[in-house]
Amino acid sequence: GNSVTQMEGPVTLSEEAFLTINCTYTATGYPSLFWYVQYPGEGLQLLLKATKADDKGSNKGFEATYRKETTSFHLEKGSVQVSDSAVYFCALSDGGSSNTGKLIFGQGTTLQVKP
Amino acid sequence: DSGVTQTPKHLITATGQRVTLRCSPRSGDLSVYWYQQSLDQGLQFLIQYYNGEERAKGNILERFSAQQFPDLHSELNLSSLELGDSALYFCASSVAGGVHTDTQYFGPGTRLTVL
Repeated sequence: GNSVTQMEGPVTLSEEAFLTINCTYTATGYPSLFWYVQYPGEGLQLLLKATKADDKGSNKGFEATYRKETTSFHLEKGSVQVSDSAVYFCALSDGGSSNTGKLIFGQGTTLQVKP
Repeated sequence: DSGVTQTPKHLITATGQRVTLRCSPRSGDLSVYWYQQSLDQGLQFLIQYYNGEERAKGNILERFSAQQFPDLHSELNLSSLELGDSALYFCASSVAGGVHTDTQYFGPGTRLTVL
């Protein structure tokens, strides 16, 4: 079945460091890919998405490119801030014949940014 | 603020009891999804409703049930509660029901503690 695998955390960086969180997926058909962020004590917020191969999603300095050849959707940011400390979830939306948009999530990666 | 509301925010109850979690989707959204977030299972899809009808089922226990009402709000009913049901329960909504490019907007969640 469809699945998402994220790099294990926690990831600890200094402010202004470069961030990469790896995400790979297994899916039949052509899913859409998402990054959600969960700040402490809050719900999930959409960070960015891409709906087809080679699409690049971007928001608030974060970027991710839908790579079908490597089945990946890695999250990157050039310069992280303390306020980026949160848990990041990679997810795919079932694009097969199941006729549902349910999300399948990775296990989440905790990012801690130190001043 | 995603526009999705969930009540209550916290719920503490005893084993064997029954509880009801409520979700109001964003204005105009027809689809409601329920997810469970626990430390050992991560974020898992439970069930989806679209315009009042069940659209998809995930890893939902038989002790759990849901419905979506004519005004499109949804309720998740959890019965014969066990310690292992303690988790954060999220509701999400989207415009359509089976379009994988749709964005799901998440509520703040209901934290259930079973003692």
